[in-house]
Amino acid sequence: SAVISQKPSRDICQRGTSLTIQCQVDSQVTMMFWYRQQPGQSLTLIATANQGSEATYESGFVIDKFPISRPNLTFSTLTVSNMSPEDSSIYLCSVENRGLNTEAFFGQGTRLTVV
Amino acid sequence: TQLLEQSPQFLSIQEGENLTVYCNSSSVFSSLQWYRQEPGEGPVLLVTVVTGGEVKKLKRLTFQFGDARKDSSLHITAAQPGDTGLYLCAGEGGGSEKLVFGKGTKLTVNP
Repeated sequence: SAVISQKPSRDICQRGTSLTIQCQVDSQVTMMFWYRQQPGQSLTLIATANQGSEATYESGFVIDKFPISRPNLTFSTLTVSNMSPEDSSIYLCSVENRGLNTEAFFGQGTRLTVV
Repeated sequence: TQLLEQSPQFLSIQEGENLTVYCNSSSVFSSLQWYRQEPGEGPVLLVTVVTGGEVKKLKRLTFQFGDARKDSSLHITAAQPGDTGLYLCAGEGGGSEKLVFGKGTKLTVNP
């Protein structure tokens, strides 16, 4: 298992501003994942953050809007840039234990409200 | 695109009742997982099922993987208010190297 600390846990932001979410893992991991969870919706993968290389973004998500940093094997940040009310959501960071079967572990999430 | 359909989307029951939540797909998965997410928290893994027809029990929770590995169910016996939360199924495989999540079932158990 992995213990993941994510902050902030919630924030209310003005439209047009940016928010950086931090994710700290208690062990070294190769990949970290960032998800968005909108009300009533499933978890949607935004991007996969690999240490030492650029993040890999899923369809519909771009680096200019969601820049990601991965400076070492235990830490990552996701920035939500130039926010609009449509960005209001829960953002989750995750790591996976890819043993015999893949098991995901999540941070507590960041509830973002853009006004 | 692999999809996992969960039903029902919402469920509100009284303490002591039994319930079943379903997770269905047209794709075959190598494994399927169930998570529970409480308000203000991230999802927490409950169980992983791997073999077609497999049944796993976790106290009052019973998980079953379909014979064809395309569907799964979660049955809760004598539900308690502490069972309240969002239950998510997630599949591995099915033609994708990424985990695929269902939309979730929001369960409310009233005292």
